[in-house]
Amino acid sequence: AQSVAQPEDQVNVAEGNPLTVKCTYSVSGNPYLFWYVQYPNRGLQFLLKYITGDNLVKGSYGFEAEFNKSQTSFHLKKPSALVSDSALYFCAVRDNAGNMLTFGGGTRLMVKP
Amino acid sequence: DAGVIQSPRHEVTEMGQEVTLRCKPISGHDYLFWYRQTMMRGLELLIYFNNNVPIDDSGMPEDRFSAKMPNASFSTLKIQPSEPRDSAVYFCASSFDGQGDGYTFGSGTRLTVV
Repeated sequence: AQSVAQPEDQVNVAEGNPLTVKCTYSVSGNPYLFWYVQYPNRGLQFLLKYITGDNLVKGSYGFEAEFNKSQTSFHLKKPSALVSDSALYFCAVRDNAGNMLTFGGGTRLMVKP
Repeated sequence: DAGVIQSPRHEVTEMGQEVTLRCKPISGHDYLFWYRQTMMRGLELLIYFNNNVPIDDSGMPEDRFSAKMPNASFSTLKIQPSEPRDSAVYFCASSFDGQGDGYTFGSGTRLTVV
């Protein structure tokens, strides 16, 4: 069975500083990895994905994520955080044979001015 | 496209009452998912449909929950009778082929059972 772990319930960062939201996964075969963002009172929005190719994936709003196969990780990063980045972030995985996403528990990102 | 449309946005009901949540997926999407989100349990998949057929309902908490998809443009999630522990935000999502970036979520229905 596939699984995702987001070890931090909350990440606090000052505006302008780099941010990292961690994600590790377990899946049989090659993983398809995703990040979603949820703003208050909204549904989840797709941010970026890794299917194959370059290990560094660029997504919306200046976010990027680095796929590391040996560490089974897919950490979300941004060089300079904005207050408006404050939201709940979900990592998700599926194997290349299935249709279902498995979501992590979410990490709340708080960016302070 | 207006996206995935859920109604109502908010629902407050008394324990024991029947609650029906509604979802209109994006036209052309052949997968539909119902999720529940709570602080305690995070995001849980309740059930999903492919081409209007329920594929996996193992996440449905108990027999009080039921879901239908009578056609490609409409789905309902019903709770009867409702209980306070059902209070949560319920999301509907649809997808073209089940792959991740095709998941489009609705804005959710916040259900409060008192």
